[in-house]
Amino acid sequence: SQELEQSPQSLIVQEGKNLTINCTSSKTLYGLYWYKQKYGEGLIFLMMLQKGGEEKSHEKITAKLDEKKQQSSLHITASQPSHAGIYLCGADNTGGNNRLAFGKGNQVVVIP
Amino acid sequence: GAVVSQHPSWVICKSGTSVKIECRSLDFQATTMFWYRQFPKQSLMLMATSNEGSKATYEQGVEKDKFLINHASLTLSTLTVTSAHPEDSSFYICSVRAADTQYFGPGTRLTVL
Repeated sequence: SQELEQSPQSLIVQEGKNLTINCTSSKTLYGLYWYKQKYGEGLIFLMMLQKGGEEKSHEKITAKLDEKKQQSSLHITASQPSHAGIYLCGADNTGGNNRLAFGKGNQVVVIP
Repeated sequence: GAVVSQHPSWVICKSGTSVKIECRSLDFQATTMFWYRQFPKQSLMLMATSNEGSKATYEQGVEKDKFLINHASLTLSTLTVTSAHPEDSSFYICSVRAADTQYFGPGTRLTVL
């Protein structure tokens, strides 16, 4: 089964600072999804990456998938308190049927 | 993206009773929905894939007789936890597959006393 490692497990940043979190897979990723979750709430879809080397941005968040399609990073520029939460990466398990396996998440705390 | 709702948002029940959780796709006709479970400080674990008009597909280790799934329409899937026990206490989240992306509901917190 797909094993996803997310690092760092948690991080605290000052408001306005940049941050990067990572998601590494033991297998080739057919599709890599980034979600954000507040504790006890549902997941908010951020971005999906499929092609090696692909990069997508939305507002201050940029996600990249490496050429080998085994690692993804998510970068937040000039972090705001609204960026605080748990970021989960999910990967398509079997190449197309959208059964997702998730990492344990990166907990992000932004200090005003 | 698709808008997904769940009902109830939280439920407390006695051990041995059954609990039904609803997942609704509000603006998208979903032939496929997914049910996940999340324990505190753990990630989401896929329990089953719900297919409209046919039987659900369960992940390895998930008891299909305990977690009954019904996907009778394109907008509604239900998960019934039968004979619930304290170890079934968890956060249950459903998602809808739309355009190769999954959109999640707000989740249901189940506490079994």
